[in-house]
Amino acid sequence: KNQVEQSPQSLIILEGKNCTLQCNYTVSPFSNLRWYKQDTGRGPVSLTIMTFSENTKSNGRYTATLDADTKQSSLHITASQLSDSASYICVVKGSTLGRLYFGRGTQLTVWP
Amino acid sequence: DTEVTQTPKHLVMGMTNKKSLKCEQHMGHRAMYWYKQKAKKPPELMFVYSYEKLSINESVPSRFSPECPNSSLLNLHLHALQPEDSALYLCASSQGLLTSGSADTQYFGPGTRLTVL
Repeated sequence: KNQVEQSPQSLIILEGKNCTLQCNYTVSPFSNLRWYKQDTGRGPVSLTIMTFSENTKSNGRYTATLDADTKQSSLHITASQLSDSASYICVVKGSTLGRLYFGRGTQLTVWP
Repeated sequence: DTEVTQTPKHLVMGMTNKKSLKCEQHMGHRAMYWYKQKAKKPPELMFVYSYEKLSINESVPSRFSPECPNSSLLNLHLHALQPEDSALYLCASSQGLLTSGSADTQYFGPGTRLTVL
Protein backbone atom coordinates (compact mmCIF):
# COMPACT_ATOMS: atom_id res chain seq x y z
CA LYS A 1 0.00 0.00 0.00
CA ASN A 2 1.34 3.42 -0.95
CA GLN A 3 1.70 5.55 2.16
CA VAL A 4 3.49 8.64 3.39
CA GLU A 5 4.21 8.91 7.10
CA GLN A 6 5.47 12.08 8.75
CA SER A 7 6.97 12.64 12.16
CA PRO A 8 6.67 14.21 14.56
CA GLN A 9 2.98 15.01 14.36
CA SER A 10 3.64 18.35 16.06
CA LEU A 11 6.70 20.23 17.23
CA ILE A 12 7.32 23.34 19.30
CA ILE A 13 10.67 25.12 19.15
CA LEU A 14 12.05 28.46 20.24
CA GLU A 15 12.78 31.18 17.74
CA GLY A 16 16.28 30.92 16.34
CA LYS A 17 16.58 27.18 16.91
CA ASN A 18 16.93 24.53 14.22
CA CYS A 19 14.64 21.57 13.66
CA THR A 20 14.30 18.55 11.41
CA LEU A 21 11.07 17.02 10.14
CA GLN A 22 10.89 13.46 8.86
CA CYS A 23 9.01 11.80 6.02
CA ASN A 24 9.01 8.07 5.30
CA TYR A 25 7.18 6.67 2.31
CA THR A 26 6.33 3.36 0.71
CA VAL A 27 5.19 4.77 -2.63
CA SER A 28 6.49 2.69 -5.50
CA PRO A 29 7.36 3.32 -8.22
CA PHE A 30 8.62 6.71 -7.11
CA SER A 31 8.78 9.84 -9.23
CA ASN A 32 9.52 12.76 -6.92
CA LEU A 33 8.99 14.17 -3.45
CA ARG A 34 7.86 17.63 -2.49
CA TRP A 35 7.76 19.51 0.77
CA TYR A 36 4.98 22.05 1.14
CA LYS A 37 4.38 24.68 3.81
CA GLN A 38 0.76 25.35 4.66
CA ASP A 39 -0.31 28.22 6.86
CA THR A 40 -3.59 27.73 8.70
CA GLY A 41 -6.55 28.24 6.39
CA ARG A 42 -4.31 28.78 3.36
CA GLY A 43 -3.24 26.68 0.42
CA PRO A 44 0.06 24.76 0.49
CA VAL A 45 3.13 26.48 -0.92
CA SER A 46 5.92 24.42 -2.47
CA LEU A 47 9.28 24.60 -0.68
CA THR A 48 11.38 21.98 -2.48
CA ILE A 49 10.99 19.21 -5.00
CA MET A 50 13.42 16.31 -5.31
CA THR A 51 13.71 13.58 -7.89
CA PHE A 52 15.23 10.14 -7.52
CA SER A 53 18.78 11.26 -8.27
CA GLU A 54 18.85 14.21 -5.89
CA ASN A 55 20.12 13.88 -2.32
CA THR A 56 19.93 17.43 -1.05
CA LYS A 57 18.17 20.59 -2.08
CA SER A 58 18.09 23.94 -0.33
CA ASN A 59 15.68 26.86 -0.45
CA GLY A 60 16.92 29.59 1.85
CA ARG A 61 16.74 28.32 5.42
CA TYR A 62 15.04 25.11 4.28
CA THR A 63 17.15 22.10 3.32
CA ALA A 64 15.56 18.87 2.17
CA THR A 65 17.33 15.53 1.93
CA LEU A 66 16.25 12.38 0.16
CA ASP A 67 17.45 8.81 0.51
CA ALA A 68 15.61 6.93 -2.21
CA ASP A 69 17.10 3.61 -1.09
CA THR A 70 15.61 3.79 2.40
CA LYS A 71 12.61 5.85 1.17
CA GLN A 72 13.23 8.60 3.68
CA SER A 73 13.29 12.37 3.43
CA SER A 74 13.90 15.13 5.91
CA LEU A 75 13.30 18.86 5.96
CA HIS A 76 15.76 20.85 8.04
CA ILE A 77 14.88 24.39 9.07
CA THR A 78 17.71 26.56 10.36
CA ALA A 79 17.44 29.69 12.52
CA SER A 80 13.69 29.34 12.84
CA GLN A 81 11.46 32.39 12.69
CA LEU A 82 7.97 33.02 14.04
CA SER A 83 6.69 32.97 10.47
CA ASP A 84 7.85 29.37 10.12
CA SER A 85 4.88 28.33 12.28
CA ALA A 86 2.80 26.24 9.89
CA SER A 87 2.03 22.70 8.81
CA TYR A 88 4.73 21.06 6.68
CA ILE A 89 3.42 18.45 4.30
CA CYS A 90 5.44 15.81 2.50
CA VAL A 91 3.94 14.80 -0.86
CA VAL A 92 5.22 11.88 -2.91
CA LYS A 93 4.40 11.51 -6.58
CA GLY A 94 4.12 7.98 -7.88
CA SER A 95 5.25 7.21 -11.40
CA THR A 96 2.11 5.22 -12.12
CA LEU A 97 -0.52 7.74 -13.32
CA GLY A 98 1.45 10.45 -11.50
CA ARG A 99 -0.81 10.18 -8.49
CA LEU A 100 0.16 12.27 -5.46
CA TYR A 101 0.31 10.81 -1.95
CA PHE A 102 0.05 13.30 0.90
CA GLY A 103 1.46 12.91 4.39
CA ARG A 104 -0.60 14.16 7.33
CA GLY A 105 1.86 16.95 7.95
CA THR A 106 3.94 18.12 10.89
CA GLN A 107 2.50 21.10 12.76
CA LEU A 108 5.44 23.35 13.68
CA THR A 109 5.03 26.12 16.24
CA VAL A 110 7.83 28.61 16.79
CA TRP A 111 7.73 30.48 20.10
CA PRO A 112 9.45 33.81 20.74
CA ASP B 1 2.31 35.47 -12.42
CA THR B 2 2.56 32.27 -10.39
CA GLU B 3 -0.71 32.66 -8.59
CA VAL B 4 -3.85 30.61 -8.34
CA THR B 5 -6.78 32.65 -7.10
CA GLN B 6 -9.95 31.36 -5.50
CA THR B 7 -13.23 33.05 -4.68
CA PRO B 8 -14.90 33.42 -2.34
CA LYS B 9 -12.51 33.14 0.62
CA HIS B 10 -15.33 32.09 2.92
CA LEU B 11 -18.77 30.67 2.16
CA VAL B 12 -21.62 29.76 4.48
CA MET B 13 -24.55 27.94 2.93
CA GLY B 14 -27.60 25.98 3.92
CA MET B 15 -28.27 22.45 2.84
CA THR B 16 -30.80 23.55 0.23
CA ASN B 17 -28.66 26.28 -1.33
CA LYS B 18 -26.85 26.22 -4.65
CA LYS B 19 -23.49 27.94 -4.74
CA SER B 20 -20.29 27.87 -6.79
CA LEU B 21 -16.60 28.05 -5.99
CA LYS B 22 -14.32 29.66 -8.55
CA CYS B 23 -10.65 29.13 -9.34
CA GLU B 24 -8.48 31.00 -11.82
CA GLN B 25 -4.88 30.78 -13.02
CA HIS B 26 -3.02 32.62 -15.77
CA MET B 27 0.15 30.55 -15.87
CA GLY B 28 -0.88 28.67 -19.00
CA HIS B 29 -1.28 25.49 -16.98
CA ARG B 30 -3.36 22.81 -18.66
CA ALA B 31 -4.14 20.69 -15.59
CA MET B 32 -6.36 21.89 -12.76
CA TYR B 33 -7.44 20.16 -9.58
CA TRP B 34 -9.99 20.35 -6.78
CA TYR B 35 -9.06 19.12 -3.31
CA LYS B 36 -11.05 18.91 -0.09
CA GLN B 37 -9.19 19.37 3.17
CA LYS B 38 -10.61 18.76 6.64
CA ALA B 39 -8.92 20.24 9.70
CA LYS B 40 -5.55 18.68 10.52
CA LYS B 41 -5.83 16.27 7.60
CA PRO B 42 -3.99 16.26 4.28
CA PRO B 43 -5.82 17.42 1.14
CA GLU B 44 -7.96 14.78 -0.56
CA LEU B 45 -8.13 14.81 -4.34
CA MET B 46 -11.65 15.28 -5.76
CA PHE B 47 -11.33 16.08 -9.48
CA VAL B 48 -8.64 16.56 -12.10
CA TYR B 49 -9.10 18.41 -15.38
CA SER B 50 -6.64 18.13 -18.23
CA TYR B 51 -7.02 20.34 -21.29
CA GLU B 52 -10.48 21.32 -20.03
CA LYS B 53 -11.67 17.73 -19.91
CA LEU B 54 -12.45 15.82 -16.74
CA SER B 55 -9.64 13.34 -16.29
CA ILE B 56 -10.16 12.01 -12.78
CA ASN B 57 -13.24 11.89 -10.55
CA GLU B 58 -12.36 10.31 -7.21
CA SER B 59 -15.90 8.95 -6.70
CA VAL B 60 -17.11 12.31 -5.46
CA PRO B 61 -20.86 12.57 -4.66
CA SER B 62 -22.94 14.19 -7.39
CA ARG B 63 -23.82 17.12 -5.12
CA PHE B 64 -20.36 18.39 -6.20
CA SER B 65 -20.27 19.25 -9.89
CA PRO B 66 -17.05 20.53 -11.47
CA GLU B 67 -16.88 22.65 -14.59
CA CYS B 68 -13.96 23.91 -16.65
CA PRO B 69 -15.25 26.69 -18.96
CA ASN B 70 -11.79 27.43 -20.36
CA SER B 71 -8.15 26.72 -19.72
CA SER B 72 -7.86 29.41 -17.03
CA LEU B 73 -11.02 28.77 -15.05
CA LEU B 74 -12.28 25.95 -12.89
CA ASN B 75 -15.59 26.00 -11.04
CA LEU B 76 -17.09 23.72 -8.43
CA HIS B 77 -20.88 23.84 -8.28
CA LEU B 78 -22.43 22.89 -4.96
CA HIS B 79 -25.99 21.71 -4.38
CA ALA B 80 -27.74 20.04 -1.47
CA LEU B 81 -24.58 19.72 0.58
CA GLN B 82 -24.37 18.11 3.99
CA PRO B 83 -22.78 19.57 7.15
CA GLU B 84 -19.96 17.02 6.84
CA ASP B 85 -19.00 18.71 3.55
CA SER B 86 -17.74 21.68 5.55
CA ALA B 87 -14.03 21.96 4.79
CA LEU B 88 -11.32 23.98 3.07
CA TYR B 89 -11.62 23.52 -0.69
CA LEU B 90 -8.34 23.92 -2.50
CA CYS B 91 -7.78 24.47 -6.18
CA ALA B 92 -4.42 23.69 -7.76
CA SER B 93 -2.87 23.78 -11.21
CA SER B 94 0.16 22.33 -12.92
CA GLN B 95 1.81 22.66 -16.31
CA GLY B 96 0.48 19.29 -17.37
CA LEU B 97 -0.96 16.19 -15.82
CA LEU B 98 1.44 14.81 -13.23
CA THR B 99 1.91 11.60 -15.19
CA SER B 100 5.35 12.25 -16.58
CA GLY B 101 8.68 11.88 -14.85
CA SER B 102 9.20 15.61 -14.82
CA ALA B 103 9.57 17.67 -11.68
CA ASP B 104 6.31 19.47 -12.41
CA THR B 105 4.91 21.30 -9.44
CA GLN B 106 1.34 21.88 -8.37
CA TYR B 107 0.53 25.45 -7.41
CA PHE B 108 -2.22 25.75 -4.85
CA GLY B 109 -4.72 28.54 -4.36
CA PRO B 110 -5.49 29.95 -0.91
CA GLY B 111 -8.66 27.90 -0.62
CA THR B 112 -12.31 28.57 0.11
CA ARG B 113 -13.45 27.88 3.66
CA LEU B 114 -16.90 26.32 3.27
CA THR B 115 -19.38 25.93 6.12
CA VAL B 116 -22.62 24.03 5.55
CA LEU B 117 -25.32 24.68 8.12
